[in-house]
Amino acid sequence: KQEVTQIPAALSVPEGENLVLNCSFTDSAIYNLQWFRQDPGKGLTSLLLIQSSQREQTSGRLNASLDKSSGRSTLYIAASQPGDSATYLCAGRPSGNTPLVFGKGTRLSVIA
Amino acid sequence: GAVVSQHPSRVICKSGTSVKIECRSLDFQATTMFWYRQFPKQSLMLMATSNEGSKATYEQGVEKDKFLINHASLTLSTLTVTSAHPEDSSFYICSARNSQDADTQYFGPGTRLTVL
Repeated sequence: KQEVTQIPAALSVPEGENLVLNCSFTDSAIYNLQWFRQDPGKGLTSLLLIQSSQREQTSGRLNASLDKSSGRSTLYIAASQPGDSATYLCAGRPSGNTPLVFGKGTRLSVIA
Repeated sequence: GAVVSQHPSRVICKSGTSVKIECRSLDFQATTMFWYRQFPKQSLMLMATSNEGSKATYEQGVEKDKFLINHASLTLSTLTVTSAHPEDSSFYICSARNSQDADTQYFGPGTRLTVL
């Protein structure tokens, strides 16, 4: 059964810093992996989706990588801003017919 | 992009009552919808998978008689929390998979349920 782990659980950085959020999954036979942002009390905003055949995806200041062999994905945020403060969730799909399995998230605070 | 709505966004009810939450895919057909719940500062836990026109598949530990799921059309799924108790208070999020693009799950904004 696919399990997703995110480290660290919480992270606080000064504005402008580049940072990396880590996600690991137990089953390397992953169909795709998705990163989400969740603001307090709100729903999910999809950030990036990486298919199993891809190694990375980029959107603006965000870059997500996928290494199936090591069971890892990273979300890189460049030039962080206070508006980036949120919880970031990593979710993997074991196969095409299965739902996403979520990690517990990393709570990011960017200090102005 | 694809839009999923949930109604209500917030509900407060008394213990013992039943609450229905609606999940709609607004601009696409969803043969499969998922219901998740999220406790404070915890991750999303899958409760059940519902396929249009058939019975929902519940995850281990989720009581199907307490959490009734109906997926009667390609754009609507409902979750009814029956005889709600304070421990059912949680954030419930639905997700829908586009029949034409099965690679992506789209999420609703969530429903905050508080049982007094």
